[in-house]
Amino acid sequence: SYELTQPPSVSVAPGKTARITCGGNNIGSKSVHWYQQKPGQVPVLVIFYDNDRPSGIPERFSGSNSGNTATLTISRVEAGDEADYYCQVWDGDSDHPQGVFGTGTKVTVL
Amino acid sequence: EVQLAESGGGLVQPGGSLRLSCTASGFTFNKYAMGWVRQAPGKGLEWVSIISGSGADTNYADSVRGRFSVSRDNSKNTLFLQMNSLRPEDTAVYYCAKSQHLVSSWFDPWGQGTLVTVSS
Repeated sequence: SYELTQPPSVSVAPGKTARITCGGNNIGSKSVHWYQQKPGQVPVLVIFYDNDRPSGIPERFSGSNSGNTATLTISRVEAGDEADYYCQVWDGDSDHPQGVFGTGTKVTVL
Repeated sequence: EVQLAESGGGLVQPGGSLRLSCTASGFTFNKYAMGWVRQAPGKGLEWVSIISGSGADTNYADSVRGRFSVSRDNSKNTLFLQMNSLRPEDTAVYYCAKSQHLVSSWFDPWGQGTLVTVSS
């Protein structure tokens, strides 16, 4: 089965840039979506199709995807960005396409 | 505004069954796929199942295939997840979410979730 690996944690100072990676075999050939989940809250979509932002998501959030790594970048980090972040793809290389989530990364704002 | 509301969670013994519901509003329900995603306490997200807008096509995670069944009643804007042969490892908050397509798509928005606890 397809696996997505994320670093367990990322720490960043306010105003700096956070980069969260999502590793998977040839992930660059897939569409990657990213979710933010704040403590006690429901996941919220922040990036879809590698680098598209839903309405209401700040331009500070951006994504990239190439080779074996996709990256969510949060620029000018704010205290409100502290949350768990998950990447997601579809593994369609089987008789039964599977949704796959990454292991999740906890972003701490110092 | 799109709204999703899950119900039907609760405490069930191992081997038991439970049926979750998700009532949708604010969009043309039958034009969108709908998915279920779960989150065990203190753990990450796990995709469970998805169903096409018409209900004709479904997909399941390997961990639930053969035990869970997803369906929908488009006349009532309601999504269902029938869970049989439940195991302790099925304990989780179950979220329903709107999806653009059966595959390759994202989930947005998500409901508030309903907690399923499998324990004797």
